[in-house]
Amino acid sequence: AQKITQTQPGMFVQEKEAVTLDCTYDTSDPSYGLFWYKQPSSGEMIFLIYQGSYDQQNATEGRYSLNFQKARKSANLVISASQLGDSAMYFCAMRTNQAGTALIFGKGTTLSVSS
Amino acid sequence: DTEVTQTPKHLVMGMTNKKSLKCEQHMGHRAMYWYKQKAKKPPELMFVYSYEKLSINESVPSRFSPECPNSSLLNLHLHALQPEDSALYLCASSQERDRYSNEKLFFGSGTQLSVL
Repeated sequence: AQKITQTQPGMFVQEKEAVTLDCTYDTSDPSYGLFWYKQPSSGEMIFLIYQGSYDQQNATEGRYSLNFQKARKSANLVISASQLGDSAMYFCAMRTNQAGTALIFGKGTTLSVSS
Repeated sequence: DTEVTQTPKHLVMGMTNKKSLKCEQHMGHRAMYWYKQKAKKPPELMFVYSYEKLSINESVPSRFSPECPNSSLLNLHLHALQPEDSALYLCASSQERDRYSNEKLFFGSGTQLSVL
């Protein structure tokens, strides 16, 4: 079975601080991809970062980095120097070759950034 | 052009109405998706079209009827909906090459549907 678990319903952080959003996954497929999406209150799902199961290095995209620990099956998102505009819902998601076209989502974490 | 465009952004309809949601992409993607999302919940997959053929139907009630007229367009026809169908409906697309695991989905901004 393929599953994504996000255990933090809500996180709070102050501007300019770093924050880590947790994500663990479960799959028996050796070939999989892990994705993080941001969903502001406007509704659009915005792609942030991708990590492939065979990638040797942790992915980074600007202020976003993915702390990929394959043995622990975790793929935590790190946002450095938080901004007010980072306040949104964040979803961890997975695709596997076994599951085909389905993108499997976690339950999401609501991030609130305060000044 | 890396956009998925959805219209309308908001829709209010009665339970006896017939309406359609529209989705368009010009990225040459060959897979298109409909997701339903309730507030504070993750998106739930409804339908997948691959190369203009319906490849996945996640046991969606027949009052939702998808249509893929061509590789750039995806419609969702709505008829006799229930109040519990009120949700955000998201369209997405992806390239659909041989390996799925490294392909991201591009999402539209959604249609917020209210059924009265």
